[in-house]
Amino acid sequence: AAGVIQSPRHLIKEKRETATLKCYPIPRHDTVYWYQQGPGQDPQFLISFYEKMQSDKGSIPDRFSAQQFSDYHSELNMSSLELGDSALYFCASSWGTGSYNEQFFGPGTRLTVL
Amino acid sequence: AQKITQTQPGMFVQEKEAVTLDCTYDTSDPSYGLFWYKQPSSGEMIFLIYQGSYDQQNATEGRYSLNFQKARKSANLVISASQLGDSAMYFCAMREPRNSGNTPLVFGKGTRLSVIA
Repeated sequence: AAGVIQSPRHLIKEKRETATLKCYPIPRHDTVYWYQQGPGQDPQFLISFYEKMQSDKGSIPDRFSAQQFSDYHSELNMSSLELGDSALYFCASSWGTGSYNEQFFGPGTRLTVL
Repeated sequence: AQKITQTQPGMFVQEKEAVTLDCTYDTSDPSYGLFWYKQPSSGEMIFLIYQGSYDQQNATEGRYSLNFQKARKSANLVISASQLGDSAMYFCAMREPRNSGNTPLVFGKGTRLSVIA
């Protein structure tokens, strides 16, 4: 079965650079979530989209933005990167937004900021 | 306030033994979902088991079972017949409706399980 695809899997950037992470949800899933997991931390919710509209925001810095496109893929844009942005970034997709719907996680993008 | 509490930062278990990982949660919403994820050292987040707040029976998935005690707001994960490959970080998580109608996952701090041969 198709899974959530994230690209790139690994990314190394310098401070103050920009980065774009991509997420391709499971076909027919209409909801995408982004999470950030710092080293030794639990994942923290950043932002979500339902039917291509932003549906909720969590602890996403103003330097970050995201969108979901007509084909349902999503991109997380990160500018003015800081050392503290080094983390594993997960995208998850689900069908519907209900609390009973399982979220399927992608393999993550490991971002390292030097 | 912490929504999901996992009080065991680390646990050791002998191979083939059963182990229980604790999780308590805090919510005032009657409708919520509880999830357990496994995260091996490679980093991927693997779904293990799910329990809905209205489910009458405890969830089971192979060697995984969830001991759901609604009145105590606990959702402990039981792994039977532990295997070396079970060594990983385990996260308990909850989805509850927000004002937006969306239900992102809220995670606990995790429990690192080490299986000893």
